[in-house]
Amino acid sequence: SYELTQPPSVSVSPGQTATITCSGGELGDKYVCWYQQRPNQSPVLLIYQDNKRPSGIPERFSGSNSGHTATLTISGTQAMDEADYFCQAWESITDQAFGGGTRLTVL
Amino acid sequence: QVQLVQSGAEVKKPGASVRVSCQASGNTFNNYYIHWVRRAPGQGLEWMGVINPAGVATTSAENFQGRLTLTRDASTSTVYMDLTSLKSDDTAVYYCARPKGTGGFDPWGQGTRVTVSS
Repeated sequence: SYELTQPPSVSVSPGQTATITCSGGELGDKYVCWYQQRPNQSPVLLIYQDNKRPSGIPERFSGSNSGHTATLTISGTQAMDEADYFCQAWESITDQAFGGGTRLTVL
Repeated sequence: QVQLVQSGAEVKKPGASVRVSCQASGNTFNNYYIHWVRRAPGQGLEWMGVINPAGVATTSAENFQGRLTLTRDASTSTVYMDLTSLKSDDTAVYYCARPKGTGGFDPWGQGTRVTVSS
């Protein structure tokens, strides 16, 4: 199965920019999605097709994907952004893989 | 706006089976693939499998092959996830989710906690 690697944790100060990476072989050739999951809540789709935001997702969330690495960037990080973040490689509708997840701490 | 509502929490003994349901609102439910994902305590999201709109073809992740069965009932807009031979490692919150045509899962069900303990 396809493997995606994320850093286990990232820390950021309020108002600063948080960067979360997701690495995998030839990842740039696939579409990447990103999810936010707060404790005791279901995951929420933040980014699809590498860099598109569903309606209702704040502009401070952005994504990119090139080569072997996809990146989720959170600009002007807020306390409410403290959560777990997961990347997903979208190969086909029946072929899915998630990264191990990154816990974002807003200090 | 499609919503997915899952069945309630379950407590099972090792070796038992569990069935979790996922019911959708909206009259186009039967056109959707439905995926199942779980999250065990202290772990990440783990993709389990998917059932196609006709309910005929399913795909399971290698970890679940032989133990996971996905079915759907078009008359009640419900998809079922059956997991057999439960182990303590199967303790997790189980989610159903619909894939968007443009990629990504949205919406997700509210999650069903399954605890496997003797």
